[in-house]
Order: sequence, then C-alpha cells, then structure tokens
Amino acid sequence: GQQLNQSPQSMFIQEGEDVSMNCTSSSIFNTWLWYKQEPGEGPVLLIALYKAGELTSNGRLTAQFGITRKDSFLNISASIPSDVGIYFCAGLNTNAGKSTFGDGTTLTVKP
Amino acid sequence: GAVVSQHPSWVICKSGTSVKIECRSLDFQATTMFWYRQFPKQSLMLMATSNEGSKATYEQGVEKDKFLINHASLTLSTLTVTSAHPEDSSFYICSASLPGRDTIYFGEGSWLTVV
Repeated sequence: GQQLNQSPQSMFIQEGEDVSMNCTSSSIFNTWLWYKQEPGEGPVLLIALYKAGELTSNGRLTAQFGITRKDSFLNISASIPSDVGIYFCAGLNTNAGKSTFGDGTTLTVKP
Repeated sequence: GAVVSQHPSWVICKSGTSVKIECRSLDFQATTMFWYRQFPKQSLMLMATSNEGSKATYEQGVEKDKFLINHASLTLSTLTVTSAHPEDSSFYICSASLPGRDTIYFGEGSWLTVV
C-alpha cells in the first residue's frame, strides 16, 4: 500500500527558531494535508494543498505541494511555545478514498 | 472549517461491557467517515472506513465483530466496542471527508478506559 515517510520524527528547538518538516512518498497524491495534534485532542487541519507546486500560508505556517506530487513540506517561522504538538501530513487521492498519514513529527519548543 | 464532533470525549467502562462512541458531522453531510485508534505517542491507525448506508470496510487485523461500525445517516457514524477488555483502552478518533473537496476533518477524539 501507499506509505508516507515523514521527517524528522522529533524536533527540539528554541523559541524563535524556524522549523521545517517534510513528507515523501513513492506514490503520487492529488492532495496534501497538514495537521497539528495536541495531547488528548484530535488532529486539527492546518493547511490543505490541492495543486502541484502550490505554496500556501496560514499565519506563521507555510506548506508546499511538491512538483512531483510525491512530497510536501511544512515550515513554521519564529516558533513559539504553543507550537508544541505532533504534526501529521496526509496524502489523498481524488474522491478522498483512503488517506495515508505520516507517522508524525513531535515538536518541542523551549522558551 | 467543517466541524466533526465526537461523544463522549472520555468513558470508563467495566471489562466485558460494550461502549458506543458517536461521530457527527455538524455542518456538512459526510458520505464517508473514518475511525482510527491511537496509542500514546504514536500515529493514527486506521481501523475502518464507514460508508453511509453500507457496511464498513475494515483494515486488516481489525476484528469487525468486536468493533461494530454503523453509519446510518449522512451525519452520524457510531463505533461500538463490544465485550471490552483492558487492552481496548485507547484514544479513538473519527474523521469525515468533506464532499466535493479532498479534505478530511477530525473529531476531538474519545478516550476509552476499560477497567
């Protein structure tokens, strides 16, 4: 089946630093989604990407849909303590059959 | 964004009893909903895909007789954990796909503790 490789697995950074994480796949996706999950809660959608090459921002977050449609990255600029959580990528194909999730990137921000 | 709500957010039950978790799409109709299980510090594990008006499609290794899924309406899917055991204790999350848009929204999750 389809698999996503999400990296890094975890990050420990200082407040104010920028963060970058990515997902790669051997398969093509039509849609890439990025989520953030805080402890004890469900994942919350951060950014949705629908076109190859698309670059979308949501506040301090920026995500891009790779040209090859096999990868995507998420950047967080000027991190703050509330950015702490697990970030997941997800790849989907048309008509949203089954989605494929990365294993998550755990972000820790030191004040 | 679209809203998906789960209930209850947490439940404690005795071993051997059954527990039902509801997943509702509050502001859209969801023909497809998904149920996941998540262990601490791990990723989401897809259990089954729930299709309105038809039988759910279970992932390999998930017991369909133990995890009963019903998707009776376009806004409600339920997961019933039957004859629960302590090893069923976990965080269960549902999601729903937004029709016409390849986007998935998650519920808040439900903590199940079997004692």
